[in-house]
Amino acid sequence: DSGVTQTPKHLITATGQRVTLRCSPRSGDLSVYWYQQSLDQGLQFLIQYYNGEERAKGNILERFSAQQFPDLHSELNLSSLELGDSALYFCASSVSSGFGADYEQYFGPGTRLTVT
Amino acid sequence: AQSVSQHNHHVILSEAASLELGCNYSYGGTVNLFWYVQYPGQHLQLLLKYFSGDPLVKGIKGFEAEFIKSKFSFNLRKPSVQWSDTAEYFCAVTTDDKIIFGKGTRLHILP
Repeated sequence: DSGVTQTPKHLITATGQRVTLRCSPRSGDLSVYWYQQSLDQGLQFLIQYYNGEERAKGNILERFSAQQFPDLHSELNLSSLELGDSALYFCASSVSSGFGADYEQYFGPGTRLTVT
Repeated sequence: AQSVSQHNHHVILSEAASLELGCNYSYGGTVNLFWYVQYPGQHLQLLLKYFSGDPLVKGIKGFEAEFIKSKFSFNLRKPSVQWSDTAEYFCAVTTDDKIIFGKGTRLHILP
């Protein structure tokens, strides 16, 4: 158990819909990172928040957005869903503010999203 | 564009065999290098990491990796694998503002 929790574990929804995925970081970690894992694209970094502020952006689509709340939990919002958005969405947390020498992240169990 | 290549998508070995998984990256600047493992049904876990210093890095569970800067490589090795090493292995590279993962290598160990 990494100490990072994600809800829900599974989500099935239809094309065009909007969903929200939730992540709670390990106690003491200020950074949350979101990733998408799919068969075609592999594991891709989407976005990072540090202490409530967006810190780094990866391959996140404009239909997707995220935020980190004062209690440090984070939500990833996926809208206008397409079949190709079906994937495993991981979050990870870290005490580090970025990807420097103190960077070490702990992954959650993931949310499996199926778009039908 | 920056990328990470893992040459072997699927590797099958017998127990006690030696393992080497290849990882190459393309990026001209300073990088930090990682290997992660994902056991069946579990979350990703860090095996080892390289930031600086000795290019031969030792990780958990008997794994090690060697950073060869001239070859842009960070291959993962283990002298004698066990059935419990069956998992998917990901190489990753961080730059200043992002992390890039390889596509992963599925390792299957035959008992």
